[in-house]
Amino acid sequence: GPKVLQIPSHQIIDMGQMVTLNCDPVSNHLYFYWYKQILGQQMEFLVNFYNGKVMEKSKLFKDQFSVERPDGSYFTLKIQPTALEDSAVYFCASSLSKYEQYFGPGTRLTVL
Amino acid sequence: GDSVTQTEGQVALSEEDFLTIHCNYSASGYPALFWYVQYPGEGPQFLFRASRDKEKGSSRGFEATYDKGTTSFHLRKASVQESDSAVYYCALGDYTGNYKYVFGAGTRLKVIA
Repeated sequence: GPKVLQIPSHQIIDMGQMVTLNCDPVSNHLYFYWYKQILGQQMEFLVNFYNGKVMEKSKLFKDQFSVERPDGSYFTLKIQPTALEDSAVYFCASSLSKYEQYFGPGTRLTVL
Repeated sequence: GDSVTQTEGQVALSEEDFLTIHCNYSASGYPALFWYVQYPGEGPQFLFRASRDKEKGSSRGFEATYDKGTTSFHLRKASVQESDSAVYYCALGDYTGNYKYVFGAGTRLKVIA
């Protein structure tokens, strides 16, 4: 089936630094999403993005978070500055319509 | 706000047992309902969806029927295999007003051979 790629698979950074998580969505998809999953816990919606704009964001999407997809390239999640509680696996997803989403394998972010 | 409740946090079965994972939802609009499966080290994979009352979704031997009356979308499989061991997520997509996509807490299924 359609593949969503995420780069890197693991990232370790010091608290206060900036990090950018990259997502290569399915090529013809129009909707893009980020989710956060702390180890062993529920997956939680962060944000969705369509037509160059944030459509909806949750309370977890703090002011330190931002998303963009410049010129149809990677869909990115930037965290600046990072905090200890940002340690989690971040999943990117994309969809052609507002229905089924296709997920990447996740980026494990560790903030020290 | 919209929510999805999965009653079982963990389910342990033997091969060929019947599976039921309960999913109930609460939404202000008329949401689409989904089941996803997540294997260790991977992102969730779409299983199937249903968009209207009494519609049945199915895939890989799993099925669920949208029931607006009981606000449920329970996942069932007649005969589970060890390879079905994974975490199963029920989710809803609410497209009325602001678009929302909500996942349940997940149910970890372990099937013993």
